[in-house]
Amino acid sequence: AQSVSQHNHHVILSEAASLELGCNYSYGGTVNLFWYVQYPGQHLQLLLKYFSGDPLVKGIKGFEAEFIKSKFSFNLRKPSVQWSDTAEYFCAVNARNNNDMRFGAGTRLTVKP
Amino acid sequence: NAGVTQTPKFRILKIGQSMTLQCAQDMNHNYMYWYRQDPGMGLKLIYYSVGAGITDKGEVPNGYNVSRSTTEDFPLRLELAAPSQTSVYFCASRVGVGGSDTQYFGPGTRLTVL
Repeated sequence: AQSVSQHNHHVILSEAASLELGCNYSYGGTVNLFWYVQYPGQHLQLLLKYFSGDPLVKGIKGFEAEFIKSKFSFNLRKPSVQWSDTAEYFCAVNARNNNDMRFGAGTRLTVKP
Repeated sequence: NAGVTQTPKFRILKIGQSMTLQCAQDMNHNYMYWYRQDPGMGLKLIYYSVGAGITDKGEVPNGYNVSRSTTEDFPLRLELAAPSQTSVYFCASRVGVGGSDTQYFGPGTRLTVL
């Protein structure tokens, strides 16, 4: 089965700093890749996803992620974070021939005003 | 649309008690999922269903049971609650086309077993 690793458990940034959160997956076949965000007190919602085409995908709120197949990576980026980006971010992978979804452990982002 | 709804929001159980966590969706989605979220561990898949009458185990199914008698509902049953089942439980659904469609999550149920 596929698995997902997120290397950063807690990231603390000041407003306007750039963000990159790492995500690597292990699966030899074709995958769909997702980033979900969980704001404090809220449930998970989709930030962006990749399933085919341009490996650089853009999501809501200025986030983007790049799929690098050779590195099995799908890192999340944002050029300039805001205090309102404080949340927990989850990378997830769904293998094309599988029905389940596997999530990483999550990265807690704290943005200081 | 209400989306994915879960009841109850909070519950405290004693060891050995049983309960059912309710999940419903009104989006006519085929696929439904149950996850548990533990601090620092992300979401772990408990069970999922690809349609009414069809369920399958995820990563951590032990101690849980599910049923899917209708498209809308996907209850999760804990038969003999244990402290290790203290967690936040999320239900999710998606249309189920090719795996690339978005999962929609419910607000979660926070369960404490004492």
